[in-house]
Amino acid sequence: QQQVKQSPQSLIVQKGGISIINCAYENTAFDYFPWYQQFPGKGPALLIAIRPDVSEKKEGRFTISFNKSAKQFSLHIMDSQPGDSATYFCAASKVGNEKLTFGTGTRLTIIP
Amino acid sequence: DTAVSQTPKYLVTQMGNDKSIKCEQNLGHDTMYWYKQDSKKFLKIMFSYNNKELIINETVPNRFSPKSPDKAHLNLHINSLELGDSAVYFCASSQEIGGGRTDTQYFGPGTRLTVL
Repeated sequence: QQQVKQSPQSLIVQKGGISIINCAYENTAFDYFPWYQQFPGKGPALLIAIRPDVSEKKEGRFTISFNKSAKQFSLHIMDSQPGDSATYFCAASKVGNEKLTFGTGTRLTIIP
Repeated sequence: DTAVSQTPKYLVTQMGNDKSIKCEQNLGHDTMYWYKQDSKKFLKIMFSYNNKELIINETVPNRFSPKSPDKAHLNLHINSLELGDSAVYFCASSQEIGGGRTDTQYFGPGTRLTVL
């Protein structure tokens, strides 16, 4: 049972472009939605996170857009750089439960 | 100054063997986790410990047994290793921030287990 669905599986974006990764969830009890970035051979690291009381959160070039009614959230990377090439995971969890349910990951490649 | 460390980084072993992976965090967190990442990069939680007490135990075979000697350490022992156990295992930790919530989960570098 895949509670958090992520797309696309892989994405190639030109340097300077906008990278967009989408996630959809099923469990309406989820109330915390982080995005993790993972480089090859490394563990995932928190990039940015949002709670459902806001529809958007921006940190530098990274923005999360959240649509509670559609149960969807997305990561936008503006001015994408080769150093952004990594695998990105969306995740979700609910209050009182530390368990993070991860999406299936998106392999992002930024080409010059 | 590694926040979450794991040993070993690579582990190659034969089917049927018993092995352990060690995890230590120096962040002062009181919650620790084990995740499994399969060959398709899918990340799934296995266990969660809070102050040495088991909180989450997903549908993991009994061959997997976590042990927490203190709140800074969470080791994973695997008995009778099978081919399907081959994966990357990540340890993580987080801090309770009240209201039933925990803060950011910090992941270790991973242990790549290969069962031959």
